[in-house]
Amino acid sequence: DTEVTQTPKHLVMGMTNKKSLKCEQHMGHRAMYWYKQKAKKPPELMFVYSYEKLSINESVPSRFSPECPNSSLLNLHLHALQPEDSALYLCASSQQGGGNQPQHFGDGTRLSIL
Amino acid sequence: DQQVKQNSPSLSVQEGRISILNCDYTNSMFDYFLWYKKYPAEGPTFLISISSIKDKNEDGRFTVFLNKSAKHLSLHIVPSQPGDSAVYFCAASYNFNKFYFGSGTKLNVKP
Repeated sequence: DTEVTQTPKHLVMGMTNKKSLKCEQHMGHRAMYWYKQKAKKPPELMFVYSYEKLSINESVPSRFSPECPNSSLLNLHLHALQPEDSALYLCASSQQGGGNQPQHFGDGTRLSIL
Repeated sequence: DQQVKQNSPSLSVQEGRISILNCDYTNSMFDYFLWYKKYPAEGPTFLISISSIKDKNEDGRFTVFLNKSAKHLSLHIVPSQPGDSAVYFCAASYNFNKFYFGSGTKLNVKP
C-alpha cells in the first residue's frame, strides 16, 4: 500500500467546472510535489512545496492552483481546464533537510476533461 | 530537451535471467540518481538510488551502476522474476527537490 494517498482516483470534469485533487501523507515528510504525466511520457514536475511554502512553480498555467494547508496535506485546485490537461496527476513527498532522499508517490488521479 | 533518456521503450527477458535497463543523461551537474518501478494503475515506487560519489549500489536482486564519464546509468535485476514485469523509470537530480525522469522502459519477464 502506498503511504501517499490521493483522492479521487478518477475525475471527469467539464471545462467550466471547479474541482480539487487531494493528497495526504503521514510520513512526516516536509516536501510535497505535484506532477503531471501523459501516456508514455515521464512525469513532469508542476509544483514543489517545502515546509508548506511554494518553492518551485514550473511555469504552470494559473488554471492550476496548488495549496498546502499543513505539512500532511497538498491540494491542487482546478478551474477552467482544457482538454489537453487530461492526464494522470501524481503527488509525491520526500524528507527535507539536507541529503538526497527519494520521492514517494501516490497512485495518482486520472483526470479527464470533456 | 530531455535531460534523462531511456532509449529502449521495452525489454523482454526470460525468468531467471538478467534484466539490464539503461539510462543516459546529459547534465553533468546531476549528483543523485534513482530507479522507480511502476505497475499499471499505481504510482511509481522507489526501487534503488545511487549518489554520484559511488559507482555501484546493491539491494538484493537489484544493482545500479553509474558511469559518470559516459553519463550512463544502468539497473541490473538478477534473477529476473515475472513479478518484476513493470515500467521502470530512471530519474536524476542536482537539486534536492527537482527530479528529472526518463520516459520509461517496459520490462516483460516471461515465465
